[in-house]
Amino acid sequence: KAGVTQTPRYLIKTRGQQVTLSCSPISGHRSVSWYQQTPGQGLQFLFEYFSETQRNKGNFPGRFSGRQFSNSRSEMNVSTLELGDSALYLCASSRARDSHSYEQYFGPGTRLTVT
Amino acid sequence: DAKTTQPPSMDCAEGRAANLPCNHSTISGNEYVYWYRQIHSQGPQYIIHGLKNNETNEMASLIITEDRKSSTLILPHATLRDTAVYYCIVYSGAGSYQLTFGKGTKLSVIP
Repeated sequence: KAGVTQTPRYLIKTRGQQVTLSCSPISGHRSVSWYQQTPGQGLQFLFEYFSETQRNKGNFPGRFSGRQFSNSRSEMNVSTLELGDSALYLCASSRARDSHSYEQYFGPGTRLTVT
Repeated sequence: DAKTTQPPSMDCAEGRAANLPCNHSTISGNEYVYWYRQIHSQGPQYIIHGLKNNETNEMASLIITEDRKSSTLILPHATLRDTAVYYCIVYSGAGSYQLTFGKGTKLSVIP
């Protein structure tokens, strides 16, 4: 069974630009979550989607947005990039069969560098 | 979700059991204990989870104390590939489908 895939793996952008990252979950998984990881703040939850609906959102500014398609694939977008947005962006998928079985399976991440 | 406390780092000799402790003294009755690990620059990997009974799978064992205020993740025969940051997370799932990661324990397996 294929794991979670994320594209691109590496990205360099300039301040002020916008970026879109893509995530393909494990087949059959309907929940997709996004996390940001930086050396200073660690792993921080961005948002979670289930059946094309955002179920939960972390404490990030509105420049960070996402969406999920009918095939469960998800994208996240960051507009007006800032230097502090440089991070590893991780996507995780889950079957989310019920609230007590919420193992998440992470992709390899997209390393975003903002210059 | 309840807060967890883990030692920042631990060493373990290769081939020996690695016992990683986690304190979650404010855990409530419906909250599960989850363990993940992250090998350098990779995405976190799910290891195991439990509610109150001890659990075992092909990767590890999870021992939860009777009062559920602490738990221990056991890697029975640590290898160099087990060197990673290990995260203990308490999760209720009650309408909040997100995991809150702390700083974890950096486990170094020594040859």
